[in-house]
Parts: sequence; structure tokens; C-alpha cells
Amino acid sequence: GENVEQHPSTLSVQEGDSAVIKCTYSDSASNYFPWYKQELGKRPQLIIDIRSNVGEKKDQRIAVTLNKTAKHFSLHITETQPEDSAVYFCAASLPPGGADGLTFGKGTHLIIQP
Amino acid sequence: DAGVTQSPTHLIKTRGQQVTLRCSPKSGHDTVSWYQQALGQGPQFIFQYYEEEERQRGNFPDRFSGHQFPNYSSELNVNALLLGDSALYLCASSFGSGSSGEQFFGPGTRLTVL
Repeated sequence: GENVEQHPSTLSVQEGDSAVIKCTYSDSASNYFPWYKQELGKRPQLIIDIRSNVGEKKDQRIAVTLNKTAKHFSLHITETQPEDSAVYFCAASLPPGGADGLTFGKGTHLIIQP
Repeated sequence: DAGVTQSPTHLIKTRGQQVTLRCSPKSGHDTVSWYQQALGQGPQFIFQYYEEEERQRGNFPDRFSGHQFPNYSSELNVNALLLGDSALYLCASSFGSGSSGEQFFGPGTRLTVL
């Protein structure tokens, strides 16, 4: 089945700086890559996603890039703010009919230093 | 418009007991997926229900079973509970079969097995 690796496990950045979280996936058939933000004690919230027919997607301060050849995708957060502090999970999914549902990475704890 | 809801919020059981968790999907969604999230880990896919049938299944034993009702709500049943079943159980709703559509998570049920 699909396997997703996520790095780093912890990322500390100064407020206002950028943060980058990287993920790799193993199954080249995967075609959907969402990112979730989970604050302590809360549900995972979908913040951005990208499909395999697109290389980059932006939503205000958040962007995601996808390199299908390298089977690699990244989350970029610019102008970080204290409310960006949370655990971020990447995930990958096979097309309908494929197995395993969403396969998640182990998460990155993002800490925004004031 | 209510989002995804789950009940109960917390549950304490002893080893060997059985538990039933419940999920109501977001309005307009017809698919429910269940995930297990151990402390400090990413969610792990248990199974997905669409049109009242289990469509996809992750690497979980048969002790984990489910059901989907005509109103799209779903139940997760776990038999013969083990200490290792202690986790946050999340359901996610989406539209259409498969996992490459946007999935929205409920707040989760925190299960503790003593």
C-alpha cells in the first residue's frame, strides 16, 4: 500500500518567517494530496489540497507544490503568525477503487516563536 | 449547516468489552471514513462506507466493524477491546466513493481502554 514520509517532525520558526514541510509518497498512482492542520485537542482541518494534474496551488499565505516525478510534495507557509502553531499532516490518496483511504504522514509540529 | 458530528466525546472501557461509536456526516455528504489516531501519530485509515457498504478497508483486524445507515450516518464497532485500542477515533465525511475527494473530520471520540 501507500507509504507517506513527512519531515521535519518539529519545525520552529520566527514569527514572520516562512515555513516549509516536506512529504514523499511511494505509490505513483496516488492522485490527491491534502494537508491538514490539527490544533491541540481539536479535529484535523483541511487547509489546502492538490491533485496530480496540477504542480502548484496557492491560497493566501499557504501554497502546496507537487513533483510527480520525484513523488514529493511540500507545504509552504509565508509570513507565519502565532495562530499557525499546530501539528500539520500531509496525506496521499489513490484514485477511486484503490485501497487504503487517505494515508497520512506522522505530522510536523510547527512552533512559531514570537 | 452542521458539520461532521460524533458521539460520544469520551469513553472509558475495560479490556474485552465492546464499544460502538457514532458519526453523522456533513450535510450533502454520502460517504463516511473512519480513522484511528494514536497519541502523537497521524490518523490511520480503518474503513470507508458508501451506499451502506464497506468499500475500502485499511490494515485493521475483523474486531473492527461498521455500518452505514440510509441517512448516511455510520457506526464503528470494536469487539474484544485491547489496551492498544486506546486512541482518538475520527470519522470523516465526503461526497462519492473513494478517498480522493475532500474529507472533513469530526471532533473525534477519545476511547480509553483500561
